[in-house]
Amino acid sequence: NAGVTQTPKFQVLKTGQSMTLQCAQDMNHEYMSWYRQDPGMGLRLIHYSVGAGITDQGEVPNGYNVSRSTTEDFPLRLLSAAPSQTSVYFCASRRGHETQYFGPGTRLLVL
Amino acid sequence: SQQGEEDPQALSIQEGENATMNCSYKTSINNLQWYRQNSGRGLVHLILIRSNEREKHSGRLRVTLDTSKKSSSLLITASRAADTASYFCATADSNYQLIWGAGTKLIIKP
Repeated sequence: NAGVTQTPKFQVLKTGQSMTLQCAQDMNHEYMSWYRQDPGMGLRLIHYSVGAGITDQGEVPNGYNVSRSTTEDFPLRLLSAAPSQTSVYFCASRRGHETQYFGPGTRLLVL
Repeated sequence: SQQGEEDPQALSIQEGENATMNCSYKTSINNLQWYRQNSGRGLVHLILIRSNEREKHSGRLRVTLDTSKKSSSLLITASRAADTASYFCATADSNYQLIWGAGTKLIIKP
């Protein structure tokens, strides 16, 4: 199993540009989530999904969209990038309340 | 807002010593989980303790949970340089959400 994969690893955007961060898992987990982690901080939940076709907002959803058309994929879209969205983004998946598996992260710099 | 609050925020000890980190939370939980994050990397799950458990061991790790005090501790015995990392606790509530603390940065000095 590849686990949770994320692409790209690094990205530089200009203010106002849009992009999609990709996330995929091959463990058939129903629950997937996106977090951002700012320097020296913990994780903040952006959006999450409890199954295909179901998404919901987390703590910091503004400026981001998600969709869950399949169990495996959970892309995160930045609609109009802002410098405040400079961060490291982690995708994660799990089954129910159990162990959460994280992807390697995407480092995003918005100029 | 962060439910889990780790204490201390940073800890520096000599290799071979034991390291203890604490986590406090505010609401009822289904379980509490500890994760490790090496610099610039993703988080790795260490141990999960359910709300009806009081203590759990995994290798050099020992986790305790006191639901009456809404707190947990992570003990790493006989620390090694490779244990240098940030350690996070996360609490799972009944709504499928994990709520994270800000982490404890552990430095093991050779």
